[in-house]
Amino acid sequence: EVQLLESGGGLVQPGGSLRLSCTGSGFTFSSHAMSWVRQPPGKGLDWVSFNGGGGGGTHYADSVKGRFTISRDNSKNTLFLQMNSLRVEDTAVYYCARDRHPDSWTGFDYWGQGTLVIVSS
Amino acid sequence: DIQMAQSPSSLSASVGDRVTITCQASQDIRNYLNWYQQKPGKAPKSLIYDVSNLETGVPSRFSGSGSGTDFTLTITSLQPEDIGTYYCQQYHNLLTFGGGTKVEIK
Repeated sequence: EVQLLESGGGLVQPGGSLRLSCTGSGFTFSSHAMSWVRQPPGKGLDWVSFNGGGGGGTHYADSVKGRFTISRDNSKNTLFLQMNSLRVEDTAVYYCARDRHPDSWTGFDYWGQGTLVIVSS
Repeated sequence: DIQMAQSPSSLSASVGDRVTITCQASQDIRNYLNWYQQKPGKAPKSLIYDVSNLETGVPSRFSGSGSGTDFTLTITSLQPEDIGTYYCQQYHNLLTFGGGTKVEIK
């Protein structure tokens, strides 16, 4: 059974940093591109960042470019999102999601349960 | 950037009704269009990929159609377990979601 488990969310002050993790199980992690998607409270879904499984590169939404960094450790089946210079508007539930394709973006067949990030003073 | 306009933003229908949700892309996205269902308090779930392909386990009352810029998600006979919010997503140029359609039972 495919499972994605996020962790690392919490309360952080504006300007602070946080590192999210997403551990996958039940599939060959390196064979799938992965993304982070966020959902502000009571609002819709926003794609945040993409990471190709085996060299497909990384991409970011304009709203987080230069502040967030996506990476992965395939030996540990884990995806990361390093979030720096956090803003109040980054407050959201952050989901990791598995892409159907190894290296390109085609949409998500599995999602994690999400981790809540609150940016507030 | 490609924008995705979904309509309506919400709807209320009776059990057994036919429900249609539309999604319009700001430019031609060919068939690079997916649909997701998010039930209250839960993570999104993949419903339909590449316009019209149902994910395994999705009931056949769900269907998708369209091409280019205009796409439709149809529920032929609405059931109580279908309540939630539905999102379209394009992947022609990176990834963009529509604003969502909240479906309620009348």
